[in-house]
Amino acid sequence: DAKTTQPNSMESNEEEPVHLPCNHSTISGTDYIHWYRQLPSQGPEYVIHGLTSNVNNRMASLAIAEDRKSSTLILHRATLRDAAVYYCILSVIRTNAGKSTFGDGTTLTVKP
Amino acid sequence: DTEVTQTPKHLVMGMTNKKSLKCEQHMGHRAMYWYKQKAKKPPELMFVYSYEKLSINESVPSRFSPECPNSSLLNLHLHALQPEDSALYLCASSQEQPPYEQYFGPGTRLTVT
Repeated sequence: DAKTTQPNSMESNEEEPVHLPCNHSTISGTDYIHWYRQLPSQGPEYVIHGLTSNVNNRMASLAIAEDRKSSTLILHRATLRDAAVYYCILSVIRTNAGKSTFGDGTTLTVKP
Repeated sequence: DTEVTQTPKHLVMGMTNKKSLKCEQHMGHRAMYWYKQKAKKPPELMFVYSYEKLSINESVPSRFSPECPNSSLLNLHLHALQPEDSALYLCASSQEQPPYEQYFGPGTRLTVT
């Protein structure tokens, strides 16, 4: 299954934008790009997903490269509550379910 | 309601015990997942159920036995575990069609003594 590569850690200042990159050079045409985040002592939380086009929701924006081999999660104004591990994963179609392989993720630190 | 509940929150068991983890969702999702997460590591997929049938088993040892008694419930039966099985066990659910956006429970923290 296709894997993703992310930087181990990133830092941001509060109220500044954050761009979290992800490489997925072996992505297949039907794989969805998902982003989840995990706060300490909690289960992962869905952030956003996309297939080919850029996407926006209330939490973030997702910019997908034209060749789909990379994507960027954009937090427009980081807050202290955004400090978490961010996972970029590919959701691969299996029989009536998706198979997702989590990479190591990016630990985001937000400084006040 | 987008909540996935897991019980118990914490579990301590000996290597000869039999215990079960429970997961429940009421979102009408027909795909349910078990993950194992060790400290400071990403979640690792263990099992996937779709329409109450086992769809994916990621070569998990037989001391872990999943069960999906109905579309809302997912159990993980544990028997003769090893200390290295101590981890956070996460349950998730999704629709059975793409994009498979998964909703996770808070997990069960398992300690095997």
